Amino acid sequence: GENVEQHPSTLSVQEGDSAVIKCTYSDSASNYFPWYKQELGKGPQLIIDIRSNVGEKKDQRIAVTLNKTAKHFSLHITETQPEDSAVYFCAARSNDYKLSFGAGTTVTVRA
Amino acid sequence: EPEVTQTPSHQVTQMGQEVILRCVPISNHLYFYWYRQILGQKVEFLVSFYNNEISEKSEIFDDQFSVERPDGSNFTLKIRSTKLEDSAMYFCASSEKAGFTGELFFGEGSRLTVL
Repeated sequence: GENVEQHPSTLSVQEGDSAVIKCTYSDSASNYFPWYKQELGKGPQLIIDIRSNVGEKKDQRIAVTLNKTAKHFSLHITETQPEDSAVYFCAARSNDYKLSFGAGTTVTVRA
Repeated sequence: EPEVTQTPSHQVTQMGQEVILRCVPISNHLYFYWYRQILGQKVEFLVSFYNNEISEKSEIFDDQFSVERPDGSNFTLKIRSTKLEDSAMYFCASSEKAGFTGELFFGEGSRLTVL
């Protein structure tokens, strides 16, 4: 089955700096890679996703890159703000139904 | 904005008791899922449901688990005889499509505590 590894497990950045989270996946058949933000006591919220037919996608301060050859994808948050503090999960989908999640990255933005 | 809603938000139960967790998926969605997250661990897939039947399940989803869509709006997860290790946050999710184009939307979760 698919195995998703995520690094780092914790990330502390100064407000205004950039944050980068990296994930690798094992199943070359995976074709959909969403990123979720989870705030304390809430469910995962989709913030951005990328499909295997593109290499990069950007939405305001958030961007995701995908390297299919190396089987890794990354989340980039620029100009971080305190409200970006949360747990971020990457995930990969290798079949029609199942998402496999990474272990999560706790991001803390210091004011 | 449409959202997935779950009840209860928190349930405490004794080991061996039956628990039913309820979900109302987004109304035009056709695919429904349950995931769970044990405290401090990653979100794990349990089961997917489409066209009134299970389309895929994980090894976690053994005979003590079952899912049902009893009417046109609710989607339930039943745990027949709860164990201590079932304590977790259970998330319901739904999507309009499956596969490559299917974005999953998650509910707020139901926290299950088994004593």
